[in-house]
Amino acid sequence: TQLLEQSPQFLSIQEGENLTVYCNSSSVFSSLQWYRQEPGEGPVLLVTVVTGGEVKKLKRLTFQFGDARKDSSLHITAAQPGDTGLYLCAGVYYAGGTSYGKLTFGQGTILTVHP
Amino acid sequence: NAGVTQTPKFRILKIGQSMTLQCTQDMNHNYMYWYRQDPGMGLKLIYYSVGAGITDKGEVPNGYNVSRSTTEDFPLRLELAAPSQTSVYFCASSHAVFATNEKLFFGSGTQLSVL
Repeated sequence: TQLLEQSPQFLSIQEGENLTVYCNSSSVFSSLQWYRQEPGEGPVLLVTVVTGGEVKKLKRLTFQFGDARKDSSLHITAAQPGDTGLYLCAGVYYAGGTSYGKLTFGQGTILTVHP
Repeated sequence: NAGVTQTPKFRILKIGQSMTLQCTQDMNHNYMYWYRQDPGMGLKLIYYSVGAGITDKGEVPNGYNVSRSTTEDFPLRLELAAPSQTSVYFCASSHAVFATNEKLFFGSGTQLSVL
C-alpha cells in the first residue's frame, strides 16, 4: 500500500504570513494532485503536477513536484482568511500488472488564517 | 449544473441498522467512487466502479456493498451498522480512472453517526 505523509497536520497563522505544506512518500507517483476542502463540502481539485521538478502557480499558491516524483509541496504567499480550509495531497500510482491507476490521499493539513 | 449529488446530508443510525447512501451524477462519467473520511486519516477508498454493472473493492470495503445499475447512480449500502462506520462519506466521479490530469468531482458528503 502506497502511503502519503502530509505535514504539518495543523497550521494556524496570521493574515499576511507565508506557509508551506509538505507531502512525502517512499513511492514514485505518476502524478500528484492537491485538493482544498471547506467544511461541509467535498474536496475540490486545485492542481495536478505530472513531471518531476515541475512547478505550477495558481495566484498566491505555488505547487512543486519533487525531481524523483516522491514528494510535493504547496507554498502560500501572504495568506488570507479565505485560504482557510483542509488541504489534501493525493498521489496517482499504477500498480504493476493492473489496468487501473489508484489515488492515495494524504492525511490532510488543516490551515487556519486569522485576520 | 448539479454535478455529484449525495443524500442524505446527515444520518444517525443505531448499531445493527442498515441504510443506503445515495449518489447520482449528471456528467455522464463512467467512473464513480465511494470514500470515507475520518479525522486525521485523509480519504480511504471503499468501492469504485468503472461502468454500469462493474464494481470493485477499494482499501476498506468490509461492512459495505455497492451496485451500479446505471451510469448515473452508485448507491452505498451499509448492512449491520457498527460504531466503526461513523464517518463522513464522499461519493466522487471522474471521466477516466485516475489517469494523469484526470480530476475527481466530489459530492458534498454524508455525515453518518452510528450509536
